[in-house]
Amino acid sequence: ETGVTQTPRHLVMGMTNKKSLKCEQHLGHNAMYWYKQSAKKPLELMFVYSLEERVENNSVPSRFSPECPNSSHLFLHLHTLQPEDSALYLCASSQAPGYNYGYTFGSGTRLTVV
Amino acid sequence: GIQVEQSPPDLILQEGANSTLRCNFSDSVNNLQWFHQNPWGQLINLFYIPSGTKQNGRLSATTVATERYSLLYISSSQTTDSGVYFCAPTSGGYQKVTFGTGTKLQVIP
Repeated sequence: ETGVTQTPRHLVMGMTNKKSLKCEQHLGHNAMYWYKQSAKKPLELMFVYSLEERVENNSVPSRFSPECPNSSHLFLHLHTLQPEDSALYLCASSQAPGYNYGYTFGSGTRLTVV
Repeated sequence: GIQVEQSPPDLILQEGANSTLRCNFSDSVNNLQWFHQNPWGQLINLFYIPSGTKQNGRLSATTVATERYSLLYISSSQTTDSGVYFCAPTSGGYQKVTFGTGTKLQVIP
């Protein structure tokens, strides 16, 4: 257990569905991140939140909508996804967004869009 | 943005063997992390190493920032070392973390 918990672990959804991924950290960190990991591609940074404020959006399509209600929780709301969105979605946290702080990752949600 | 290259892309080791994984990066960095991703997807931070050498049990890492590379040493490998190893340097104005494509390691008994 790393202190960062992601739910669900696996998710299968149709292209017309709406679902949400949840991430919770118990480390007292102030920065949280969403990453996408597709087969044979490097991890892609999607969003960065610092103290509940979105500080980076890496040109992610609007069908992905993040929400950070407090510094311990991060959500990724999904709607009208495409099959190419199938991937492992990883949440991470760090003490703050900056080079002095290491990342702690959750176990990921493996998403399949059918 | 910064380019990160890891070598080798794939590696098969006999249990007990030693290995060295390399990470080259194209620009100056503020810091660098090494991660291990197990077969179930969990990423674990192994080292946080902007420069110099650190050791943790059978693993050690060396970063030479001036020459833009980092090395991860695995000694007396075990089957539980199998998985993908990523290096992730931090660079740029907002200290962006960029992941390499990884080295996939398989340790066989």
